[in-house]
Amino acid sequence: TQLLEQSPQFLSIQEGENLTVYCNSSSVFSSLQWYRQEPGEGPVLLVTVVTGGEVKKLKRLTFQFGDARKDSSLHITAAQPGDTGLYLCAGDEAGTALIFGKGTTLSVSS
Amino acid sequence: KAGVTQTPRYLIKTRGQQVTLSCSPISGHRSVSWYQQTPGQGLQFLFEYFSETQRNKGNFPGRFSGRQFSNSRSEMNVSTLELGDSALYLCASRHTPGTGAETQYFGPGTRLLVL
Repeated sequence: TQLLEQSPQFLSIQEGENLTVYCNSSSVFSSLQWYRQEPGEGPVLLVTVVTGGEVKKLKRLTFQFGDARKDSSLHITAAQPGDTGLYLCAGDEAGTALIFGKGTTLSVSS
Repeated sequence: KAGVTQTPRYLIKTRGQQVTLSCSPISGHRSVSWYQQTPGQGLQFLFEYFSETQRNKGNFPGRFSGRQFSNSRSEMNVSTLELGDSALYLCASRHTPGTGAETQYFGPGTRLLVL
């Protein structure tokens, strides 16, 4: 079974700061997804990356898929309190199940 | 279009009891997956159903079972509950199983507490 390691586990920053969350694996995934989950709700898909080296932007969020399709990063520019939540990466295991990392809990204070 | 709905939202049971959770997928979605989320292990895949057939199964004991009905609604059952079964149980739906590149839509989850 493939494993996904996310770091850091917790992040507490001030509004306006930049941050990067990492998602690493020793295995190759056919695609990788990033989700955001708020308390009391299910995860909501932010982006799916499929091609090695791919970069996708979603407003202040930048997602990158590693060239070898084993790792990914999420960079947030000028974080806002509304960005607070649990960020999860998930790899597609050969079209069967999604393998999730344990998540990064982000807290942005004003 | 209504999202994925799960019932009940909260549940308290005691050890040894059994529990049944329900999931109604988005209209038109025929694939339903179940996940268990705990602080220690994160989100772990339980099983996926498509056209009333279990397509994939995660690494959970046989006490965890599920089924899907002809209208794509799904139920999961946990028998002989243990304290460690306390978790948020999430259901996700998509049109068809296949590559993970297809978006899965998650419900709000059922929070189960086993005393």
